[in-house]
Amino acid sequence: QKEVEQNSGPLSVPEGAIASLNCTYSDRGSQSFFWYRQYSGKSPELIMSIYSNGDKEDGRFTAQLNKASQYVSLLIRDSQPSDSATYLCAVREGFQKLVFGTGTRLLVSP
Amino acid sequence: GAVVSQHPSRVICKSGTSVKIECRSLDFQATTMFWYRQFPKQSLMLMATSNEGSKATYEQGVEKDKFLINHASLTLSTLTVTSAHPEDSSFYICSARVKGNEQFFGPGTRLTVL
Repeated sequence: QKEVEQNSGPLSVPEGAIASLNCTYSDRGSQSFFWYRQYSGKSPELIMSIYSNGDKEDGRFTAQLNKASQYVSLLIRDSQPSDSATYLCAVREGFQKLVFGTGTRLLVSP
Repeated sequence: GAVVSQHPSRVICKSGTSVKIECRSLDFQATTMFWYRQFPKQSLMLMATSNEGSKATYEQGVEKDKFLINHASLTLSTLTVTSAHPEDSSFYICSARVKGNEQFFGPGTRLTVL
């Protein structure tokens, strides 16, 4: 079983700050990476996917991928209290399966 | 994103009974759907991959005779928890793979077995 590791947190940031969420993975051959947001008691919601080294921006979110270091991160600019949730990193294993990290809990204080 | 629905959203049943959970893709056809289970404060654990028109592929440690999966059409997969016991109480979530790479999740079903 391939591994995906995340710091469980909580990561606390003040409103308006940049939140930085990190994820490492064990399979050097992985090609597809995803960030999901999960509010308490709800199912995961896809935020971003990234497949190539470098940065990918979508609104306040930026995903960063470094395959050489087996590292993927998610930056949230201008963090809002509504961003408080658990953020799950997922890596595709094989053709279809996703392997999830345990998630990082983010708390944005007003 | 693609829309996936699940029914019921919440179910309470007695020990020994069977519970069926439906997962539907509403605005696309899903040849592959996935069933996950999530216990409190834990991450998602893949139970099985459901392929339309063929047998599901179960993950190691998941009893296929206890968790029956049927993917009879391109928009519907069902998970039946047979002879449910309290330890089966969990949050069951399905997802569907859109053409390409991304998976979208249903809203989940919270199962409580008394």
